[in-house]
Amino acid sequence: DAGITQSPRYKITETGRQVTLMCHQTWSHSYMFWYRQDLGHGLRLIYYSAAADITDKGEVPDGYVVSRSKTENFPLTLESATRSQTSVYFCASRDRGQNTEAFFGQGTRLTVV
Amino acid sequence: TQLLEQSPQFLSIQEGENLTVYCNSSSVFSSLQWYRQEPGEGPVLLVTVVTGGEVKKLKRLTFQFGDARKDSSLHITAAQPGDTGLYLCACGTSYGKLTFGQGTILTVHP
Repeated sequence: DAGITQSPRYKITETGRQVTLMCHQTWSHSYMFWYRQDLGHGLRLIYYSAAADITDKGEVPDGYVVSRSKTENFPLTLESATRSQTSVYFCASRDRGQNTEAFFGQGTRLTVV
Repeated sequence: TQLLEQSPQFLSIQEGENLTVYCNSSSVFSSLQWYRQEPGEGPVLLVTVVTGGEVKKLKRLTFQFGDARKDSSLHITAAQPGDTGLYLCACGTSYGKLTFGQGTILTVHP
């Protein structure tokens, strides 16, 4: 099926553990994004990627690592999870151009205990 | 980084009322997008405005882009419970970055 999918949908992990959230899109969109969503903060950009092997920091990158070896995949890794990283994480993609529509996955709800 | 300020943060109204949500920046927008997000889902694009002074209508929703391209508004006429959700403005850059405002949570009571 065409679209953008995130996995897992829900994850509970312990403080200090490494966690990877997966994102896969089937459109071959150039741009991909990771956001976190917390009440009162809207969507805050963690990292984004303009193409395979090109990534850049967003507003809140500390504690996160990304990679993009293939155009369709953009995993987000929390190297050592902290409670402050408890959040809902959204992956998005969009085609080249300043005004193109962003398509979002359904989100991953991550709880760090 | 262009900061987007949305107001109000929360809006609770009765069915049939009108409302306006604002998105402002100290910098000029090249373009602006409005998204709507329902609980448990990702945001979905409503509209993109590009030209200063532009007005776009989507059924009962009216979107305006300020003449100076530093502000935008979303007006909903005769709100319905189905309009309940989080409304987000966003601006993109030519190198791909897409930044969102903090959002307006709208609740329309029957």
